[in-house]
Amino acid sequence: KQEVTQIPAALSVPEGENLVLNCSFTDSAIYNLQWFRQDPGKGLTSLLLIQSSQREQTSGRLNASLDKSSGRSTLYIAASQPGDSATYLCAVVRAQKLVFGQGTRLTINP
Amino acid sequence: DTGVSQNPRHKITKRGQNVTFRCDPISEHNRLYWYRQTLGQGPEFLTYFQNEAQLEKSRLLSDRFSAERPKGSFSTLEIQRTEQGDSAMYLCASSRGNSGNTIYFGEGSWLTVV
Repeated sequence: KQEVTQIPAALSVPEGENLVLNCSFTDSAIYNLQWFRQDPGKGLTSLLLIQSSQREQTSGRLNASLDKSSGRSTLYIAASQPGDSATYLCAVVRAQKLVFGQGTRLTINP
Repeated sequence: DTGVSQNPRHKITKRGQNVTFRCDPISEHNRLYWYRQTLGQGPEFLTYFQNEAQLEKSRLLSDRFSAERPKGSFSTLEIQRTEQGDSAMYLCASSRGNSGNTIYFGEGSWLTVV
């Protein structure tokens, strides 16, 4: 059974810092991995999709990496801003569906 | 793309009542998914459709739950004889074709059973 773990569960940093969010998964036979952002009480916004054959993807200040062999992905956020405060979820695609971690609740302090 | 649309956004119902949620996927997305999310947890898979065919159902989806996608367009998720444990956010998502494509989520439908 595929399990996805995100550590830490919560993170608070001052504005302007670069930070890394971690995601690990137990079964390397994934199709792809997707990072999402979720604001309180809202749905999920897709940030980045990494295909299983890729090592990383970039969008603006966000960079996501994927290491299938070690079962890890990281989301790097550069020059963090208060507007980046949200819960970040990673999910792996296996057998046609997404399996999610519990998320990291990120707070950027002005 | 106008995005995935879900209605109603919030529903409060008494235990034992039936509720129905509707999802309109992004046009031309042939895959449609339903997930459930409780506070502090990641979303959990419930079921998914490829066009009008329901291809997989989670064990989380008890007999009180039924999902349909007539004509492969919008979908409905009905919960019969609601229980307090059904209180959660129900998320709908859609994607094109194969598993290599981005999956897009709606804003979710909050259900509170009192």
